[in-house]
Parts: sequence; structure tokens; C-alpha cells
Amino acid sequence: NAGVTQTPKFRVLKTGQSMTLLCAQDMNHEYMYWYRQDPGMGLRLIHYSVGEGTTAKGEVPDGYNVSRLKKQNFLLGLESAAPSQTSVYFCASSLVRQGEQYFGPGTRLTVT
Amino acid sequence: GENVEQHPSTLSVQEGDSAVIKCTYSDSASNYFPWYKQELGKRPQLIIDIRSNVGEKKDQRIAVTLNKTAKHFSLHITETQPEDSAVYFCAASKGSGGGADGLTFGKGTHLIIQP
Repeated sequence: NAGVTQTPKFRVLKTGQSMTLLCAQDMNHEYMYWYRQDPGMGLRLIHYSVGEGTTAKGEVPDGYNVSRLKKQNFLLGLESAAPSQTSVYFCASSLVRQGEQYFGPGTRLTVT
Repeated sequence: GENVEQHPSTLSVQEGDSAVIKCTYSDSASNYFPWYKQELGKRPQLIIDIRSNVGEKKDQRIAVTLNKTAKHFSLHITETQPEDSAVYFCAASKGSGGGADGLTFGKGTHLIIQP
């Protein structure tokens, strides 16, 4: 089992460019989450999904969109990147609501 | 929405001593409180969690206590070892309502174990 994987590991974008971060899990988990981690800020929830075909907004959703077309994949999109979106992005999944969340290795994104 | 405050931001203890990290939450509907450990450059990993129907939970050298009335919960690590050095995050969630399925994290505590 690979667990939770994220692609890419690193990326540098220019302001205004777009990109998609891919999260994949092979544990058949229903719930998937996207967090961003900034120094001194902890982890903040961007969007989450409670099952295939569903998505919902978290604490800091502005500037991001998500899709969950397949149960095992959760995509995070940045349509027009801004320097404020420079961060480390973590994807996580859980089998049940309020269950252990398994995190991916993270994607370090820099927007210049 | 939920707000989780965590203290201290940095904690330095001698190897073998105990460490205590405290968190408070604002939403009385929160009922699930996990603790995650993140080593430098690594992903967060769950170390222990507690639900609101329990006041204390222990797993070897790690324990968590919950005071629902005061809306605070604490992580206790006894007999600290060098491998306990990491950033620890508390979190809270509620099982229903908007945003119910994600965690609200504290800002983290950098625990340093001095040899």
C-alpha cells in the first residue's frame, strides 16, 4: 500500500499561472481533505470531500477549487496563483468521519 | 467557526522529564480532539485522540485529558526521549453542521528535548 501520495512534490509558479495538485489514496477511504501549512499558522482546511462526487468548503477556500471524480483521487486547483498561496499543501484521507487522518508527503508551492 | 488556541509555542525540557501542551477550543459542539506529531520535513501523524464522552486516555508514555466544561484539553508526555522532539498540533472537530468533517488545528508546539 502506498497510502496517500501527492503530485508534484515541488512547484514554482509565476503570479497568474494555474496548476492542479493531485492527491491519490489506495485505502478506499471515503473522506479526503486539503490543508495548507504556513509557518506559525498550523494547518488550515481548504476543502474537503465526504465521498466520490462531493466537495465542500473549509476554513480558507478562496482562490482554490477541487474535484473528486473518482473515490481515490482528490484534485486541488489554483486558477490564478497569487504569492499569498505560497505554502506547503497536505492532502489527507480518513475511512470514517472523525477518524484518523492519513496525510500525504506534502507539496511545496512557491508563487513568485 | 471553531477556534483552537495552543500553548506554549515552544517547550524545552530535559530528557526524562515530562512535557505538557495545552489547548482550548471555542465551539462547545466540538466532540473529537486528536493530537498530531510532525517531525521536521515530514507529514503529520496521529499520536492519540480523545472523544467528548471520555475524560482521559493513555497510551504508554502519552496521555490526553479533556475538560469539556472549561473547553480545554492537554497532551502529557512522560519520560521524554530524544525522538519526542517534533512539532505537536492539537485539533478539534464536531460531527455535524457546516465544516463538520474537517479538523481545526492549533498553531503547534515545538517540543525540544535537551540531552
